[in-house]
Amino acid sequence: DQQVKQNSPSLSVQEGRISILNCDYTNSMFDYFLWYKKYPAEGPTFLISISSIKDKNEDGRFTVFLNKSAKHLSLHIVPSQPGDSAVYFCAASGKGGSNYKLTFGKGTLLTVNP
Amino acid sequence: DVKVTQSSRYLVKRTGEKVFLECVQDMDHENMFWYRQDPGLGLRLIYFSYDVKMKEKGDIPEGYSVSREKKERFSLILESASTNQTSMYLCASSLPGKRWEQYFGPGTRLTVT
Repeated sequence: DQQVKQNSPSLSVQEGRISILNCDYTNSMFDYFLWYKKYPAEGPTFLISISSIKDKNEDGRFTVFLNKSAKHLSLHIVPSQPGDSAVYFCAASGKGGSNYKLTFGKGTLLTVNP
Repeated sequence: DVKVTQSSRYLVKRTGEKVFLECVQDMDHENMFWYRQDPGLGLRLIYFSYDVKMKEKGDIPEGYSVSREKKERFSLILESASTNQTSMYLCASSLPGKRWEQYFGPGTRLTVT
């Protein structure tokens, strides 16, 4: 049972435009959400996070939005740059069960075209 | 800069062999993790450790064991490698106060033939 879903395996965007990556979750016990970025032949790197007490968190060009009622979060990248081309993983953690465990989505491959 | 290193980038082993994957981090992190990444399945947690000699099972611990004798080193052991353990293995570490903000190593691509 997939608790964190990234329904778009890939996304292609023009340089300078907005990239929107989406993530849905089913477990209402999740209360902390993260995005990781992964380049080929490298491990994932932490990008941005959001607690369930917030609905938005911003860090430079990256903004994460959380809609708890819809169990949906999204990552906005504005403006998109070719160096943003990577696989983006959504991850979640929460109360109940181990506090150390992250549940990852399958990832979305973002391609930013020059 | 946090550095997480893994002993091998690529490894080829035969079915039934005992396999050791080593991970070392240089930032004195208490928490360490082992994941595997498979196409279409994302990252799945195998085991993690929150202190020396402490370990907990993740989502898919079957066929694996771990060892953490020193804070900086976390080993993943495949007792008897099987072809369905062919995968990318990723090690990560984090601080207790930021346990979900994990620093990953580059990964080990293991092929079991």
